[in-house]
Amino acid sequence: DAKTTQPPSMDCAEGRAANLPCNHSTISGNEYVYWYRQIHSQGPQYIIHGLKNNETNEMASLIITEDRKSSTLILPHATLRDTAVYYCIGRNAGGTSYGKLTFGQGTILTVHP
Amino acid sequence: DAGITQSPRHKVTETGTPVTLRCHQTENHRYMYWYRQDPGHGLRLIHYSYGVKDTDKGEVSDGYSVSRSKTEDFLLTLESATSSQTSVYFCAISGSGGGSNQPQHFGDGTRLSIL
Repeated sequence: DAKTTQPPSMDCAEGRAANLPCNHSTISGNEYVYWYRQIHSQGPQYIIHGLKNNETNEMASLIITEDRKSSTLILPHATLRDTAVYYCIGRNAGGTSYGKLTFGQGTILTVHP
Repeated sequence: DAGITQSPRHKVTETGTPVTLRCHQTENHRYMYWYRQDPGHGLRLIHYSYGVKDTDKGEVSDGYSVSRSKTEDFLLTLESATSSQTSVYFCAISGSGGGSNQPQHFGDGTRLSIL
């Protein structure tokens, strides 16, 4: 699975867009990029994932660069409840690696009033 | 939210005692996973299951065993608990429909303290 690099922390004003970057320069062609977040000591929450096209759902948008070496998670209108640790994960969707999501240190996003 | 229930939510026990954690799902998903989360280590996979009676080891499986006798339940057992197994344990599930890129969905965790 690809190694990912994220900034350790970011701040965002409530109501503004939060743009969380992730570098995955070693990602291979069949590896998806997944984003999760973890609020306090709750279980990780799935946000979105993608392979090479940009994706959008009710929670966020995922922008993947054309060379797939980096991506950005966008929370369009951040709220205080979006304060959490955000994890970017590269995962090989093929073979028998169903079992492994490798969580790094993530980015602590703090949304302030 | 995915229908995942972990029990108990909190447990305190003594070194050397057996402990079983239960993960119950109502989604009829094929895959189930047990992770542990510790400060400085993030989440680490203990064991996973890819079907009834089909399980495999993760990266930190020593000291743990699992069983899955029916689709909805995945049990994690610490045969003889040690203080190093004090942790927060998360269960996750994922489906197989639509390909192997299905995301995992996590339960709320079990906080286990071994004294």
